[in-house]
Amino acid sequence: GQNIDQPTEMTATEGAIVQINCTYQTSGFNGLFWYQQHAGEAPTFLSYNVLDGLEEKGRFSSFLSRSKGYSYLLLKELQMKDSASYLCAVYMNTGFQKLVFGTGTRLLVSP
Amino acid sequence: EAGVAQSPRYKIIEKRQSVAFWCNPISGHATLYWYQQILGQGPKLLIQFQNNGVVDDSQLPKDRFSAERLKGVDSTLKIQPAKLEDSAVYLCASSPDRVSGELFFGEGSRLTVL
Repeated sequence: GQNIDQPTEMTATEGAIVQINCTYQTSGFNGLFWYQQHAGEAPTFLSYNVLDGLEEKGRFSSFLSRSKGYSYLLLKELQMKDSASYLCAVYMNTGFQKLVFGTGTRLLVSP
Repeated sequence: EAGVAQSPRYKIIEKRQSVAFWCNPISGHATLYWYQQILGQGPKLLIQFQNNGVVDDSQLPKDRFSAERLKGVDSTLKIQPAKLEDSAVYLCASSPDRVSGELFFGEGSRLTVL
């Protein structure tokens, strides 16, 4: 089985930094994805971590600790358009590979 | 490159009626997924195809849901009969292989069951 936990909702101010945490307990861990999903739209890919450490991509960074079953997504210089849901998803291999999503964190950025 | 195409975008039906959703993945993508996303929740995998074979359908309610991917290209997901709790967005996604893991999603089909 698998268990993926994220906070339900977070709020932050434009220009600030926010960190969205994700903890997971799964078997056959192959990597961890972060997706962004604006209301009424499909999820879009943000990042993929396979090895421990920090991956930086512009204003977004993602961190993974496989030993702790922990990841975070860091958003810097927040903009109003960053208001969206952020989905943590674990890529698993249990005989076949599949992507399992957490419930998502709804981020509201205010002026 | 064309993205994942889904239709219809919106569908409203009454409970006990049937509905079908269609998905055409990105050309050349071997793996196709159907996810169900209930409002306020993350996507839940219903079924995964590798070419035209089913890889995982462990969370598909088989008494009412069915899916096929004939010829290993486009796919249909059917619900018969629908229940109120089936109201959700049905997302289709595809990926080029089973190694990289990145999924490309369609815009989804929003189902409302009254």
